[in-house]
Amino acid sequence: GAGVSQSPRYKVTKRGQDVALRCDPISGHVSLYWYRQALGQGPEFLTYFNYEAQQDKSGLPNDRFSAERPEGSISTLTIQRTEQRDSAMYRCASSLDSGLGSSYEQYFGPGTRLTVT
Amino acid sequence: AQTVTQSQPEMSVQEAETVTLSCTYDTSESDYYLFWYKQPPSRQMILVIRQEAYKQQNATENRFSVNFQKAAKSFSLKISDSQLGDAAMYFCAYISNFGNEKLTFGTGTRLTIIP
Repeated sequence: GAGVSQSPRYKVTKRGQDVALRCDPISGHVSLYWYRQALGQGPEFLTYFNYEAQQDKSGLPNDRFSAERPEGSISTLTIQRTEQRDSAMYRCASSLDSGLGSSYEQYFGPGTRLTVT
Repeated sequence: AQTVTQSQPEMSVQEAETVTLSCTYDTSESDYYLFWYKQPPSRQMILVIRQEAYKQQNATENRFSVNFQKAAKSFSLKISDSQLGDAAMYFCAYISNFGNEKLTFGTGTRLTIIP
């Protein structure tokens, strides 16, 4: 079946503009995660959802960042008033289940490379 | 907070030889999972192998195997019969089995395969 998809794959925006990044998880996957990866670093956690409920948003850097998953499937990560320091690869992942007894295997999408000029 | 350390920024190996990538982690928890992810030049993130902390047996997936030393908090990846397609960044990652479901990644090891 199809893997995790993300759009757009590349986004160039001017400082101060808002951007919306989309993630479509593997069908049937309960949990959805957002990570940010700077060049030469490992991904860093931003937030995650079980179904439509946002379980943890402790990794969101500030209140310009928000995420939603209104119907428990597709998710959108929104960055308002973008700044140059927001430039990075934004990765989405999904997993089949969550909680105790879960396999915790997260499958990643190809990422959205965001460049803020 | 959990931390994951990969002390080898770069490694290289001759094609068909064996290479071991190191990873250590710090946690006060007893139940968790460890993963190795591969990131080839395409920058996709591919799950390579998974280890459950309560299992003493080391995980294996074809040419990939791990050496999990729980007391030492060490989780190394061995790649046997290295192939050109193994060239990539490799990330070690940790996840708790106590409800904190975020993956914590190391900084990665870039593996080069010498033909």
